Amino acid sequence: QLLLHESGPGLVKPSETLSLTCSVSGGSITNTDYFWAWIRQSPGKGLEWIGSMYSSGSTHYNPSLKSRVTLSLDTSKNQFSLQLSSGTAADTAVYYCARMEYDSFWGKYRNFDHWGQGTLVTVSS
Amino acid sequence: EIVLTQSPDLQSVTPKEKVTITCRASQSIGTSLHWYQQKPDQSPKLLIKSASQSFSGVPSRFSGSGSGTDFTLTINGLEAEDAATYYCHQSSNLPWTFGQGTKVEIK
Repeated sequence: QLLLHESGPGLVKPSETLSLTCSVSGGSITNTDYFWAWIRQSPGKGLEWIGSMYSSGSTHYNPSLKSRVTLSLDTSKNQFSLQLSSGTAADTAVYYCARMEYDSFWGKYRNFDHWGQGTLVTVSS
Repeated sequence: EIVLTQSPDLQSVTPKEKVTITCRASQSIGTSLHWYQQKPDQSPKLLIKSASQSFSGVPSRFSGSGSGTDFTLTINGLEAEDAATYYCHQSSNLPWTFGQGTKVEIK
């Protein structure tokens, strides 16, 4: 059974960098059938995709956040991470990590089939 | 960016009633459209993938249809446990986007 678990500080000061890690168990992040993604949800709002990373190192970012986002993989720990720089109150949200199915043969991206439970990050002084 | 517009925003339904939620894409996305259910204080859960394929373990009362720009999620015979917010998501074009959500509440 695949499990994803987000961890990191729940409080970040404005202008500082938000850093989160997603630990994956029950499956390998080097599996070429999947991308690994971050998605956030502001309080009372909808879902916003932040970015996704493949085991090869290939990344995709939401253009609205691209200048501030860095994704990375640690295959030795079976973890992947998010860094979001220059935090503002608008970055206050529940952050989810998720697995995205990917058809590497056809190059087609599909659904997010497994999600972590989410972690609330508040940007405030 | 592809915009997904769901309707309605809120649906109040009695148990056993049929529920229909629509998702309209701002341009054609084939069948790269997926549906999720999110209950309060929980993470979203995949219900339907690629417009009409049920995800493993999802009750058969949930079904999806559509292609191109117009998609539908149907719940045949709503149960109390189905009270949740439902989101569509497209994976056709970057950036991946979600609909604004449809809240289904039980009367």
